[in-house]
Amino acid sequence: KQEVTQIPAALSVPEGENLVLNCSFTDSAIYNLQWFRQDPGKGLTSLLLIQSSQREQTSGRLNASLDKSSGRSTLYIAASQPGDSATYLCAVPRGTGNQFYFGTGTSLTVIP
Amino acid sequence: GAGVSQSPRYKVAKRGQDVALRCDPISGHVSLFWYQQALGQGPEFLTYFQNEAQLDKSGLPSDRFFAERPEGSVSTLKIQRTQQEDSAVYLCASSRARGTIYFGEGSWLTVV
Repeated sequence: KQEVTQIPAALSVPEGENLVLNCSFTDSAIYNLQWFRQDPGKGLTSLLLIQSSQREQTSGRLNASLDKSSGRSTLYIAASQPGDSATYLCAVPRGTGNQFYFGTGTSLTVIP
Repeated sequence: GAGVSQSPRYKVAKRGQDVALRCDPISGHVSLFWYQQALGQGPEFLTYFQNEAQLDKSGLPSDRFFAERPEGSVSTLKIQRTQQEDSAVYLCASSRARGTIYFGEGSWLTVV
């Protein structure tokens, strides 16, 4: 079974800081990896999808990278803002559709 | 509708009771997914429908869990004889065949 791990479990940073969230997975035979955001008491919102043929994907201040051979992905957040405070989850496919194995998440707090 | 709608949002059940959780997906989305999220954990896949066909139920933890989508739109997740370990948030999500996945805000189940 695919195991997805995220470190750190929690992170607190001052506003304006750049930060990196880490995701590792045990089975490198994936065709994509996705990063999600979850606000307290809410569902998940897809942030970035990286196909296995890509090494990076960018959206605004977010940049995600994927290294399949080493089983790792990183999510880089530039110039963090208090509105970035949320839990960030990475996910890899477990089927042919939108079935995923999720990591346990990194809870981010950006202090004004 | 504008998003994935789930009801009830909060449910308290006595151990041994049966519960039914409802999901209204985004109109036109053929794929529907159920996930279970325990406190402090990432979501765990339960089951997947394409239209009315249940194509993957490998994540259902026991035969007390049953899901249906009889007309290919609204889905119901039923849990029989609830136990304390069933306490979790149950997330429903929908997507076009291989498009972006959209999550509801979840049904919070507490078994006492």
